[in-house]
Amino acid sequence: KQEVTQIPAALSVPEGENLVLNCSFTDSAIYNLQWFRQDPGKGLTSLLLIQSSQREQTSGRLNASLDKSSGRSTLYIAASQPGDSATYLCAVRPGSGGGADGLTFGKGTHLIIQP
Amino acid sequence: DAGITQSPRHKVTETGTPVTLRCHQTENHRYMYWYRQDPGHGLRLIHYSYGVKDTDKGEVSDGYSVSRSKTEDFLLTLESATSSQTSVYFCAISPKWDRDQPQHFGDGTRLSIL
Repeated sequence: KQEVTQIPAALSVPEGENLVLNCSFTDSAIYNLQWFRQDPGKGLTSLLLIQSSQREQTSGRLNASLDKSSGRSTLYIAASQPGDSATYLCAVRPGSGGGADGLTFGKGTHLIIQP
Repeated sequence: DAGITQSPRHKVTETGTPVTLRCHQTENHRYMYWYRQDPGHGLRLIHYSYGVKDTDKGEVSDGYSVSRSKTEDFLLTLESATSSQTSVYFCAISPKWDRDQPQHFGDGTRLSIL
């Protein structure tokens, strides 16, 4: 059974810092990996999607990397801003080897950016 | 934003009553999913659909049933609600035959069972 772990569970940093959020998964047979943002009481917003054959994806101040063989992904946030405060979720989609479709999620990293 | 509407957005009901949650999409996507989100567990897949009348179970399907009679609607039913089903329920969609595309989520339904 796939398990996804996110470290740290919570993080509080001053505005302007660069930071890294970590995600690890136990089964490397994934189709892709997706990073989401969730604001309190809200739904999930997709940030980046990395295919299993890719090494990284970038969108603005966000950069996500994937090392499929070691079961790890990182989300790098450059020049953090108070508006980046949210919970960040990592999720993997299973490969084509059978089993249910759908995503397996980590429990998230709760990020607070201090003004 | 992806055209996903969940209804109701909030519901309070009593143990033993039936409850139906609706997910409506305007994107004509083939794949639809129901997840629940609980503190300490994160999001977990309940059921999913890969086409009209084609559904399958996810990780936590016990106590839930689903139906999809039209491409745009995916219903989640709790036949006899229990307090352990108090949760936030999210619907997600993904394009037809294209697993390379991201899943997009609705705003959720907060369900409280007393």
